[in-house]
Amino acid sequence: AQSVTQLGSHVSVSEGALVLLRCNYSSSVPPYLFWYVQYPNQGLQLLLKYTTGATLVKGINGFEAEFKKSETSFHLTKPSAHMSDAAEYFCAVFKLGGTSYGKLTFGQGTILTVHP
Amino acid sequence: KAGVTQTPRYLIKTRGQQVTLSCSPISGHRSVSWYQQTPGQGLQFLFEYFSETQRNKGNFPGRFSGRQFSNSRSEMNVSTLELGDSALYLCASSSLGDRGTDTQYFGPGTRLTVL
Repeated sequence: AQSVTQLGSHVSVSEGALVLLRCNYSSSVPPYLFWYVQYPNQGLQLLLKYTTGATLVKGINGFEAEFKKSETSFHLTKPSAHMSDAAEYFCAVFKLGGTSYGKLTFGQGTILTVHP
Repeated sequence: KAGVTQTPRYLIKTRGQQVTLSCSPISGHRSVSWYQQTPGQGLQFLFEYFSETQRNKGNFPGRFSGRQFSNSRSEMNVSTLELGDSALYLCASSSLGDRGTDTQYFGPGTRLTVL
């Protein structure tokens, strides 16, 4: 069964520090990969996605992620954290093939806290 | 373009009642997926509709059902509500939908509280 693991349910950084949120997936076939952000009492906002092509993907708000097939990872980074980055972040995958229409599989989420 | 809209945003029901939630996708999007979000179980897939047909269903009891209309708007219904159905229900739409793996754009959700 396909699964997504986000290491660390809570990550705390200082403003201006590097943000690193970890995501590993298990799939026999490289899936499509996504990062979403959720602010309190809101829905999910797409940060970035990887389908095919360049393995380093740039997203909104200065975030980027690198697809590493050998490590089955898709970690999210941002060079310098801002207070407005405080939110919950979800890694998600689409399994390719089969009958997984419209079904994103999500990790458990990582709450990012940014200290002044 | 307007984003995905969901109504109502908040809902309070009592056990045993039924509830209907509505989702209007982004204009031109034909695929609509529904998810349940709870603190304990996280985000779980309920079902997906494309061109008024349910193509995929998650592991939820039959009390959870849905439908899609010809204008791609979708509704989900939960009958005989239980306390455990309290959750944020999220709807997402995607553009092409042919493969069911296109980028999903989410609405703000409906917060359902069952008392």
